[in-house]
Amino acid sequence: KNEVEQSPQNLTAQEGEFITINCSYSVGISALHWLQQHPGGGIVSLFMLSSGKKKHGRLIATINIQEKHSSLHITASHPRDSAVYICAVSPDLGRDDKIIFGKGTRLHILP
Amino acid sequence: NAGVMQNPRHLVRRRGQEARLRCSPMKGHSHVYWYRQLPEEGLKFMVYLQKENIIDESGMPKERFSAEFPKEGPSILRIQQVVRGDSAAYFCASSPQRTGGFGYTFGSGTRLTVV
Repeated sequence: KNEVEQSPQNLTAQEGEFITINCSYSVGISALHWLQQHPGGGIVSLFMLSSGKKKHGRLIATINIQEKHSSLHITASHPRDSAVYICAVSPDLGRDDKIIFGKGTRLHILP
Repeated sequence: NAGVMQNPRHLVRRRGQEARLRCSPMKGHSHVYWYRQLPEEGLKFMVYLQKENIIDESGMPKERFSAEFPKEGPSILRIQQVVRGDSAAYFCASSPQRTGGFGYTFGSGTRLTVV
């Protein structure tokens, strides 16, 4: 079992829909990251959070440390949001501090 | 303040040749991490370096792969005698400090194709 699991693996939605991508992890963490990767493109860090909720434009990220779960929400989705969204965690200090990545959720927004 | 710069963006090598991938961290960042993304797979950690030191290379194959981060210049990931299975996207990230998860910035990646 992977230490970071994302669901769904693939998601197709119509423009304007509210999108939720989930991430569950099984290790202790100091931070959780949400990243965006466009086809053939680089990786952009969207959020880094260790508690609560963060909002940036139409993107919202939440984390529940007790439940070891995070969600990424996209409101009023748009075709340009089509990308792979990757959840990644930084393990507790005292362990290796290399990030552990989920396999990503491939999002496709139809116009 | 430029971000993490990787070059080349695309690299094609014939089997048996050497591949050299470069990563210049953000200004002020002295920690560099290399990751590999195989097709349809998530990113996997390869190696973590500070200036002139390899801190953790537990994710790097024991043979043909090496990495360095000299006092001057970019970090280099070197793959000798490439094979088809080395075809992947290689990303580097940099951070200003070791404490896990703060300030990671990723480069755009180098896509290596071995023919």
